[in-house]
Amino acid sequence: AQSVTQPDIHITVSEGASLELRCNYSYGATPYLFWYVQSPGQGLQLLLKYFSGDTLVQGIKGFEAEFKRSQSSFNLRKPSVHWSDAAEYFCAVPNYGGSQGNLIFGKGTKLSVKP
Amino acid sequence: NAGVTQTPKFRILKIGQSMTLQCTQDMNHNYMYWYRQDPGMGLKLIYYSVGAGITDKGEVPNGYNVSRSTTEDFPLRLELAAPSQTSVYFCAGFGQGTEAFFGQGTRLTVV
Repeated sequence: AQSVTQPDIHITVSEGASLELRCNYSYGATPYLFWYVQSPGQGLQLLLKYFSGDTLVQGIKGFEAEFKRSQSSFNLRKPSVHWSDAAEYFCAVPNYGGSQGNLIFGKGTKLSVKP
Repeated sequence: NAGVTQTPKFRILKIGQSMTLQCTQDMNHNYMYWYRQDPGMGLKLIYYSVGAGITDKGEVPNGYNVSRSTTEDFPLRLELAAPSQTSVYFCAGFGQGTEAFFGQGTRLTVV
């Protein structure tokens, strides 16, 4: 069965600094890949997704992610973090192994932003 | 276009009480899901539905039940609340391209 690992539980960066959040997946083929963001007290919002083609994907709010097949990774990046980016970020893959059609989520990375 | 709407946003239950978490969507999604979110654990699938009249268990179904009489509504029922059900619950619908649309969540505390 496929799985998603987000190695960093909590990351703190200074405002204006660059950001990279790590995501590794386990799946025999190239999966669809997603990043979601959850602001405090809110539901999850799609940041970006990868289906095929160009391995560098642009999303909303200035985020991008790069798919690297050789590393089974789909890391999320932002060149300059804003205080409003403080949130929890989830990487996800579809559940190809069952009929549920759902997404399997990583455990999340909480981002704190220092002024 | 409201998307996926959950009610209530907050609720405190006593052990043994029952309640229904409401979820309604106006995006015509066939696939609907209930997840629970616990700190540091990500989201776990409770139940799902692939269309009206069809529901099935997810990863953590014990203590919950669902129904799907219409495409729009997918309520989650807790019959005998237990402290282990203290969590944040999210309803989601899946659109084209497997993009999930989430409600804003229900924060439930069982005391």
